[in-house]
Parts: sequence; structure tokens; C-alpha cells
Amino acid sequence: EVQLVESGGGLVKPGGSLRLSCAASGFTFSSYSMNWVRQAPGKGLEWVSSISSSSSYIYYADSVKGRFTISRDNAKNSLYLQMNSLRAEDTAVYYCARGFLTGIDYWGQGTLVTVSS
Amino acid sequence: QSALTQPASVSGSPGQSITISCTGTSSDVGGYNYVSWYQQHPGKAPKLMIYDVSNRPSGVSNRFSGSKSGNTASLTISGLQAEDEADYYCSSYTSSSRVFGGGTKLTVL
Repeated sequence: EVQLVESGGGLVKPGGSLRLSCAASGFTFSSYSMNWVRQAPGKGLEWVSSISSSSSYIYYADSVKGRFTISRDNAKNSLYLQMNSLRAEDTAVYYCARGFLTGIDYWGQGTLVTVSS
Repeated sequence: QSALTQPASVSGSPGQSITISCTGTSSDVGGYNYVSWYQQHPGKAPKLMIYDVSNRPSGVSNRFSGSKSGNTASLTISGLQAEDEADYYCSSYTSSSRVFGGGTKLTVL
């Protein structure tokens, strides 16, 4: 069974940093691209970042470019998102999600990040 | 990376069919056959319903179908059931990004 479990969310002050982690199991992690997608409270989905299976290709939404860094450790079956210079508008549930061809087929349950003073 | 345009809400009665539209541009929806659709129930993670415009993943009911014409993609749900009541999001994939629609709330009357 495919499982994606996010951790690392919490309350942080504006300008602060946070590192999210996603532990993957039930599939060959090193064979799949991975994504972070976020959802602000009561709002829609927003793609944040993607990373290819071997980390050769990395992409970011304009809204986080230069502030967030996606990475993965295939030996540990883990995906990460380093978030710096956090803003109130970054407040959201952050989902770790597996790429499937051009879609996203498995999603974690999400971790809440709240940016507030 | 502007969000794709979806109607805020649609509704239908059990057994009826509904269609949700998703409008983008020639740079996303119109330029690639890489539109996917997601269903999200309250408090739950999204679920992939359609990928590559019209393909259903294993386990998704054939009551769900997708299509595309020009810059607009569509999700059709036939034989509406109470459990279909949820938020639906379209998404377009390019080689360097993904963009989601604003979401459509489906109400089953």
C-alpha cells in the first residue's frame, strides 16, 4: 500500500523557516517524480514544487521561487521542502504527492503550516 | 502560472449528468493533452479521477469522463450519486510546472 506521511508543520513567525519532510513507503520511491502541493484554509489547490526521480529536474511556482527548496533522499525514501522567508500567505496545508505520468496519483494527508506573529 | 478557470459551483439531482468546465490558455490546457481532474471531500486529500484529458486510473468509476476542446477541458459525471458531492479541481501539466483550477463545488440535490 502506497503511503505518504508528511511531518514538520507548525506555527512560525513571518520571516522564519521550516523544513517539511515526507516519508514514502509501499512503492519504489526512486522511480517516481514527487511534488509539494498546498491548500490555504478554505481555498483551492496550489502547486508548489516538483522534483524528478533522480533530482535532475526541479521546478517551483513563481510564488515560492527563491524562498523554498525541494530535495529528496532516495536512500531514505524521503522528500523534503525547506521553506525560508515565510510569509502569512504561505499558511496552508502542505501535501506531499506522487507524480503519475502527467497527473498526481497519491497524496499524503498533509501537514499544516501557519505563519503568524 | 495563472490559475485555470472553473465555475465556483454546479449542482444536479441523483441520476443526472453534470459537466464541469476548466478554461486555460494555449500555453497550458490548449497546448498539451495533460489535463487531470481531482476529487476532494471535506477534510480529505485529493483523489485523481482523470489524467491525460480522458484516462481513468484503475478503480475510478466509468461514470467519470474527461474531454478537451481548444483551451477548455471538461469533466462529466453521469448517473450522479450522493457520494459524488465534493470539490473538483482540474490541473494542467507542462514540462516545468503544474497549474490548478480554482475548484468547483458539486452539490447533489
